[in-house]
Amino acid sequence: AQSVTQLDSQVPVFEEAPVELRCNYSSSVSVYLFWYVQYPNQGLQLLLKYLSGSTLVESINGFEAEFNKSQTSFHLRKPSVHISDTAEYFCAVSEMDSSYKLIFGSGTRLLVRP
Amino acid sequence: EAQVTQNPRYLITVTGKKLTVTCSQNMNHEYMSWYRQDPGLGLRQIYYSMNVEVTDKGDVPEGYKVSRKEKRNFPLILESPSPNQTSLYFCASSLSLPSSYEQYFGPGTRLTVT
Repeated sequence: AQSVTQLDSQVPVFEEAPVELRCNYSSSVSVYLFWYVQYPNQGLQLLLKYLSGSTLVESINGFEAEFNKSQTSFHLRKPSVHISDTAEYFCAVSEMDSSYKLIFGSGTRLLVRP
Repeated sequence: EAQVTQNPRYLITVTGKKLTVTCSQNMNHEYMSWYRQDPGLGLRQIYYSMNVEVTDKGDVPEGYKVSRKEKRNFPLILESPSPNQTSLYFCASSLSLPSSYEQYFGPGTRLTVT
């Protein structure tokens, strides 16, 4: 059965520093991978996704994630964070043969300090 | 404006008193889903619907019911709420399969059952 692990429940970082939020998944078949972001008191929004092709995917606000099949990982990175990036980030996976559902990780709270 | 709406946003109720949380989308999406969010557990899917009159169980369906009589609406029904259903609930919709299309989330409903 598929599962998603986000080992870090909270990541504090100073403004303009780089950050990496880790995501590992387990699945016996090929997968689609997603990162969703939840700003305070809001619903989730899609940040970026990997469906196929290039293993490096980027968002419009400077985040990127790389699909690593051998390590079953999809870590999210940003070279320089802003205060406005403070939010909770959820990694999600969908198996190609059951693409009607997403399985979410437990979330990582990114706290950007001035 | 394209959106998913949920009502009510906040609800405090007592054990056993039936309640309904409404969800409506104005994007003509086929797929709709309900999730609950609990600290440390991320989002877990309760029920989903691929289209009108087509619903199926997610990972945590016990104690919940849904219906999809119209494409735009997907209410969540708790026939006899219990304290372990205290949670933050999100409705989401997507054009089709959530693995291929972005899911749009509502603002959330915070439910407290005493």
